[in-house]
Amino acid sequence: KAGVTQTPRYLIKTRGQQVTLSCSPISGHRSVSWYQQTPGQGLQFLFEYFSETQRNKGNFPGRFSGRQFSNSRSEMNVSTLELGDSALYLCASSLGLARGSDTQYFGPGTRLTVL
Amino acid sequence: SQELEQSPQSLIVQEGKNLTINCTSSKTLYGLYWYKQKYGEGLIFLMMLQKGGEEKSHEKITAKLDEKKQQSSLHITASQPSHAGIYLCGAAGGTSYGKLTFGQGTILTVHP
Repeated sequence: KAGVTQTPRYLIKTRGQQVTLSCSPISGHRSVSWYQQTPGQGLQFLFEYFSETQRNKGNFPGRFSGRQFSNSRSEMNVSTLELGDSALYLCASSLGLARGSDTQYFGPGTRLTVL
Repeated sequence: SQELEQSPQSLIVQEGKNLTINCTSSKTLYGLYWYKQKYGEGLIFLMMLQKGGEEKSHEKITAKLDEKKQQSSLHITASQPSHAGIYLCGAAGGTSYGKLTFGQGTILTVHP
């Protein structure tokens, strides 16, 4: 079974621009979660989508948004980029079961650099 | 909100030595996950623990969840350079679907 894939792997943008990142989950997985990882804040949860619906959201500004398609692929968008948005963005897929019984499998990440 | 604290923050060992990494939660754990990460890469799933007192092993790595379900330990026996990386514990808690809260990570260096 193919793992979680993320595109692109690396991205360089300038302040004020917007960016879209893509995540393809493991076949059969209906849940996709997004995380931001930075040296200062560690891994922080952005949001989770299940069957095209956002079920959960972390404490990030509205500039961070996402969506999920009928094939479970997901995209996240960051508008009006700021220097502090430079980070490794990770997506994880799972079956979407109840808490504590579901394993998330992570993709390789997208390294975003904002200049 | 749930917080996870890992100790130690970093660890340097000689190849062949045993080591333990701890993860303590501020709240009851409904599921505790251990992942390994190479710098700048994705997380590799190691093990998931759900029940108090549960212990799981994979190759030379053993993880335990204490009876009260607020602390977990990861033990590596006879460490190898391939074990080097960042170890992260993650917890599923509360009523949140799809959200894992992570510890700050433990950086493991294994010298040959």
